[in-house]
Amino acid sequence: ETGVTQSPTHLIKTRGQQVTLRCSSQSGHNTVSWYQQALGQGPQFIFQYYREEENGRGNFPPRFSGLQFPNYSSELNVNALELDDSALYLCASRSGHRNTGELFFGEGSRLTVL
Amino acid sequence: AQSVSQHNHHVILSEAASLELGCNYSYGGTVNLFWYVQYPGQHLQLLLKYFSGDPLVKGIKGFEAEFIKSKFSFNLRKPSVQWSDTAEYFCAVNFPSGSARQLTFGSGTQLTVLP
Repeated sequence: ETGVTQSPTHLIKTRGQQVTLRCSSQSGHNTVSWYQQALGQGPQFIFQYYREEENGRGNFPPRFSGLQFPNYSSELNVNALELDDSALYLCASRSGHRNTGELFFGEGSRLTVL
Repeated sequence: AQSVSQHNHHVILSEAASLELGCNYSYGGTVNLFWYVQYPGQHLQLLLKYFSGDPLVKGIKGFEAEFIKSKFSFNLRKPSVQWSDTAEYFCAVNFPSGSARQLTFGSGTQLTVLP
C-alpha cells in the first residue's frame, strides 16, 4: 500500500463526454503527478501540481486539465473525450517538487471511451 | 529527443534462471535512473534507483542494476528468478532539461516466470 488512493477504479464514457478522476495523495506529500498509461505502453507524464499550482506539463492538449486542493488531493479533468483517451490514469505523489526521489503511485483509474 | 528504450517486450523464464532486462536512454548529460515494477493487479512500485556514486545499485527482492554511462544503459538483473517475480518492469529516467519534474518511462517488459 502506498497511501495514494484513486477513484473511480473503472469507468466507461462515450466520445465527447467529460470525465473527472480523483486522487488522494499519501500523507505528508505535497506534490501530485498524473500519468496516462495506454495498453502495452509505459506511463506518460501529463502534468504535476505542487502546492496547488501546475509546475510541469507533458505533451497533452489543453482539454486535459487538473486541480490540486489545499489538502493536496488532486483531480484530473478530461473534456471532449476521444477514443484514444482510453487508458489507465495513474496518480503519483511525493514530498517536494524537485525531480529526485521516489514517486508513490496509486492503482489507477481505468477509463474506457466508446 | 530524450527517450527511454526497453528492447525486450516479453521475457519468459523458468524458475532459478538468471534475468537481465535491458534499458537504454538517449541523453548525453547527467540523469537519474529508476526501475519500477507492476505486479498483476497492483500499483507501480520502486525496485531501485540510481542518482550518483557506485554504478551498481541494489534494490528490493534481490534485484540489482548497473549504470554504464558510456553505453547509456541501466540494465536490471537478478541471479535467480522466482515465480513471484512475474510482473511488468519499467525503466524510467529523470531528464534534467525540458519539464524537469517528470519521469520518462520505457514501454515496459513483461516477465513471465514458469514454475
